[in-house]
Amino acid sequence: GAVVSQHPSWVICKSGTSVKIECRSLDFQATTMFWYRQFPKQSLMLMATSNEGSKATYEQGVEKDKFLINHASLTLSTLTVTSAHPEDSSFYICSARNRIQGNGYTFGSGTRLTVV
Amino acid sequence: DQQVKQNSPSLSVQEGRISILNCDYTNSMFDYFLWYKKYPAEGPTFLISISSIKDKNEDGRFTVFLNKSAKHLSLHIVPSQPGDSAVYFCAASPRGGGNKLTFGTGTQLKVEL
Repeated sequence: GAVVSQHPSWVICKSGTSVKIECRSLDFQATTMFWYRQFPKQSLMLMATSNEGSKATYEQGVEKDKFLINHASLTLSTLTVTSAHPEDSSFYICSARNRIQGNGYTFGSGTRLTVV
Repeated sequence: DQQVKQNSPSLSVQEGRISILNCDYTNSMFDYFLWYKKYPAEGPTFLISISSIKDKNEDGRFTVFLNKSAKHLSLHIVPSQPGDSAVYFCAASPRGGGNKLTFGTGTQLKVEL
């Protein structure tokens, strides 16, 4: 079945540094990937949609200069949290659109980011 | 503006009984609905979906019902098992199905022995 590998699963970084999160589709081509953020006991909120080879589309209120998304190939999308602050601490999850499974969306295992 | 709502943050059910999780939506453009199960610090796992052309879809112990006029859907799990204990999210997608998902706030299901 379709698998999306997300790394790292958790990361702790200092304020002001940047963190890169990778999402890879292992056995299918993901022309579209979605990045979500989940705060404790809240819903998954869509941050941006990335299409291979083009600029990402960001949801309202999400700073594109802070959350850099690169989708350079059909199997890899990256989210870089630049100049991270404690309020960026959250659970980040990617999702890839796939046509192998009927449901159409496969999620990564998530990344727990803690900024200290 | 929460377009997909799960009004029950938690639900407790005895093993073997039926679990009913509810979800309401406000956007009439949604026509594809999904249920996901999620454990802490993990990504959501797909359970079952339903298109707006149907009012019921069944897969093993899981059945999803859709009431379009009420903009309401529900997930029935029967019989409930302790391993079903998790947070359940409903999600909706607008016409075409290949677009972004809007998630509900989740319901924590606890199945007790």
